[in-house]
Amino acid sequence: EAGVAQSPRYKIIEKRQSVAFWCNPISGHATLYWYQQILGQGPKLLIQFQNNGVVDDSQLPKDRFSAERLKGVDSTLKIQPAKLEDSAVYLCASSTQRVYNEQFFGPGTRLTVL
Amino acid sequence: AQSVTQLGSHVSVSEGALVLLRCNYSSSVPPYLFWYVQYPNQGLQLLLKYTTGATLVKGINGFEAEFKKSETSFHLTKPSAHMSDAAEYFCAVFHQTGANNLFFGTGTRLTVIP
Repeated sequence: EAGVAQSPRYKIIEKRQSVAFWCNPISGHATLYWYQQILGQGPKLLIQFQNNGVVDDSQLPKDRFSAERLKGVDSTLKIQPAKLEDSAVYLCASSTQRVYNEQFFGPGTRLTVL
Repeated sequence: AQSVTQLGSHVSVSEGALVLLRCNYSSSVPPYLFWYVQYPNQGLQLLLKYTTGATLVKGINGFEAEFKKSETSFHLTKPSAHMSDAAEYFCAVFHQTGANNLFFGTGTRLTVIP
């Protein structure tokens, strides 16, 4: 079974630029999550999708971050404009609808904002 | 409210020695508890989980954890450390807010000394 795919793996941008990350979850997983992991901290949930609808985006900085999951499969997370404090690893995870609590993680995208 | 505290951001053990990584939680409802491992430049991988039933949970790679309600703990152990165990370990609690998501601790970096 293929795992959660993410791209790119690494991205370096300057502040005020925009950036987008892509995630393809495990086939058949209805629930998709985006996490932000700042160096030295645990992952923090940014947004959770159930199929193509948003379940929880309470921790998403909506003035600069946006995410979508068209057709309920893959997803993109965008930052515009980026700030220095956005430097982090962005992790995507997915789970089956019936087992919310077991999440499978992708390798992450490491973002560096200069 | 639910939260997780991991005692010790860095733990060093000799190869072959006991590994003990500490995790305490707070939860207003019976918790679901997890340990994830993160190898360098990789995503998180589930080691083990406790939901209900037997309080001693066995996971992959020889790790196990015991849920102790009276101590609000879920410490991770392995009898004999191997060099390949060097990684970052995260304890997490399932956050039943209706949105159902994981809340992670800050992580413990395990170093194994040859």
